[in-house]
Amino acid sequence: ETGVTQTPRHLVMGMTNKKSLKCEQHLGHNAMYWYKQSAKKPLELMFVYSLEERVENNSVPSRFSPECPNSSHLFLHLHTLQPEDSALYLCASSQAWVASSGNTIYFGEGSWLTVV
Amino acid sequence: KQEVTQIPAALSVPEGENLVLNCSFTDSAIYNLQWFRQDPGKGLTSLLLIQSSQREQTSGRLNASLDKSSGRSTLYIAASQPGDSATYLCAVNSGANSKLTFGKGITLSVRP
Repeated sequence: ETGVTQTPRHLVMGMTNKKSLKCEQHLGHNAMYWYKQSAKKPLELMFVYSLEERVENNSVPSRFSPECPNSSHLFLHLHTLQPEDSALYLCASSQAWVASSGNTIYFGEGSWLTVV
Repeated sequence: KQEVTQIPAALSVPEGENLVLNCSFTDSAIYNLQWFRQDPGKGLTSLLLIQSSQREQTSGRLNASLDKSSGRSTLYIAASQPGDSATYLCAVNSGANSKLTFGKGITLSVRP
């Protein structure tokens, strides 16, 4: 148990569906992240939120829409996805977003997404 | 642009062997380096974090070293066990936005 909880753990959706991934952290951290992990590729940073404000958006298609209603919760809203979007989506949190030599990042268990 | 390389992609060893996993990075101006473990279908678990001012960190049978000038880190696993079988990822924290750059990972299999 890392203190970062993701739901659902598995999701199968059609290309015309709308669904959401949820992340909650119980660590009192100020920064939250969405990462995408595809087979044979390094983890890709998608979004960063610091104190509920989006501070980074790594050229992610608009069919992925993040939402951070408070410092403990992060959502990833999914709409009209493509089969190539099938991947493991990982949420993470850290004490701070700014550059810090001791800033450890904690990951959730991930949400396996399959787009059919 | 920071790039992180982990070679080989997969490794199989007999139980009890001491082993070294390598990680190299292109930009030596880093804040820290983290080693993670990922079990199949699971998230990442942080194993060790080495700050830029440190040379090594130890936790149980694990020892991670950092040589910033050469852009290298190693994760040493002593007396490997089948339970150590997992994918080990190296991530470097660098850049103005404290960005984590990950390697592709090394999938380790420890045979009983």
